[in-house]
Amino acid sequence: NAGVTQTPKFRILKIGQSMTLQCTQDMNHNYMYWYRQDPGMGLKLIYYSVGAGITDKGEVPNGYNVSRSTTEDFPLRLELAAPSQTSVYFCASRLGTTRDTQYFGPGTRLTVL
Amino acid sequence: AQSVTQPDIHITVSEGASLELRCNYSYGATPYLFWYVQSPGQGLQLLLKYFSGDTLVQGIKGFEAEFKRSQSSFNLRKPSVHWSDAAEYFCAVGGTGSARQLTFGSGTQLTVLP
Repeated sequence: NAGVTQTPKFRILKIGQSMTLQCTQDMNHNYMYWYRQDPGMGLKLIYYSVGAGITDKGEVPNGYNVSRSTTEDFPLRLELAAPSQTSVYFCASRLGTTRDTQYFGPGTRLTVL
Repeated sequence: AQSVTQPDIHITVSEGASLELRCNYSYGATPYLFWYVQSPGQGLQLLLKYFSGDTLVQGIKGFEAEFKRSQSSFNLRKPSVHWSDAAEYFCAVGGTGSARQLTFGSGTQLTVLP
């Protein structure tokens, strides 16, 4: 199993540009999450999904959108990039049982200039 | 609301010395607690987790953590640090709501001196 994969690894955007961060998991996990990590800070939840077709906002959803059309994929969309969105983005997934574990992807480092 | 505090931003230890990383949490019920490690440029890897039962939890790479309800703490320990342990360590508390999302502390950066 590849686990949780994310593309791209790095990206530089100009202010106002759009992009989609891709996240795929091959563990047949029901729950998927997007976090952002700012320097010197812990991870903050952006959006999450409890299954295909179901998404909900986390702590810091403004400026982002998500969709979950399949169990495997959970893309994160930035519509109008702003410097405040410069961060490292992590996707995670878990099966959905009571005592399971979240597995994290390697991250996408995004810079908005 | 749940929260996690890691009081030490940066810790430096010599190789072979013992290590303790502090974590304090705030949560209304019995928490689910986790320690993750992040090596430079990498994602987060789970070291250990606590759900219930024995308050001393063993993890990978020789790490252990002790849950102390009276102190709202879940400190991470290792008896003898290796140079490869240099990384950033995150404590997290898991909620029991629909998302079961994790709330993370701000992390502790560990430097290991030869």
